[in-house]
Amino acid sequence: GAGVSQSPSNKVTEKGKDVELRCDPISGHTALYWYRQSLGQGLEFLIYFQGNSAPDKSGLPSDRFSAERTGGSVSTLTIQRTQQEDSAVYLCASSFATGGNNQPQHFGDGTRLSIL
Amino acid sequence: KQEVTQIPAALSVPEGENLVLNCSFTDSAIYNLQWFRQDPGKGLTSLLLIQSSQREQTSGRLNASLDKSSGRSTLYIAASQPGDSATYLCAANTGFQKLVFGTGTRLLVSP
Repeated sequence: GAGVSQSPSNKVTEKGKDVELRCDPISGHTALYWYRQSLGQGLEFLIYFQGNSAPDKSGLPSDRFSAERTGGSVSTLTIQRTQQEDSAVYLCASSFATGGNNQPQHFGDGTRLSIL
Repeated sequence: KQEVTQIPAALSVPEGENLVLNCSFTDSAIYNLQWFRQDPGKGLTSLLLIQSSQREQTSGRLNASLDKSSGRSTLYIAASQPGDSATYLCAANTGFQKLVFGTGTRLLVSP
């Protein structure tokens, strides 16, 4: 597609349930990023993929969070045993990985996650 | 640890005014500094990217400057329009494309 696509756009679930968030990057972008945007914390980096590997997982807030990317394209972010503090907008971005670090990141519209 | 701050947190101006948004960062060891806009309920739109070796970048009515030594960047918007109303975020690239974001400036341009 023309831009980064994220699904679902909204997700409401009960505390303790597992959720899966999906990101489909721009075609040809080898780098993919997940961020979380919440009222109290602003925009936080979660994880970065180069191809299918994740050299930087430093931003994942706990072991309930995991992410994978297959085929160098679609990525899923999974949150197990959700807690109310997981409520936030989860944003995905992608970029070309050439030219060192100087490639702009292109963002999807996010998934708004609400934990009841 | 890199920290990014944006001032002011909110700004309201009449249409046609020129305005400046400020961004400061604590660690000058950055690869680049990026400016984004975010509309309500939407993701981020990349506006300008200034590489660490550059002093400024321009796109249309937008001009962004970078002073690494003082840890500052500014976004200048000329002849503001109501369509410029949005939240503006700056982000410092600290390596491995990891962006550290400021808290944003919410801009309202009144007709």
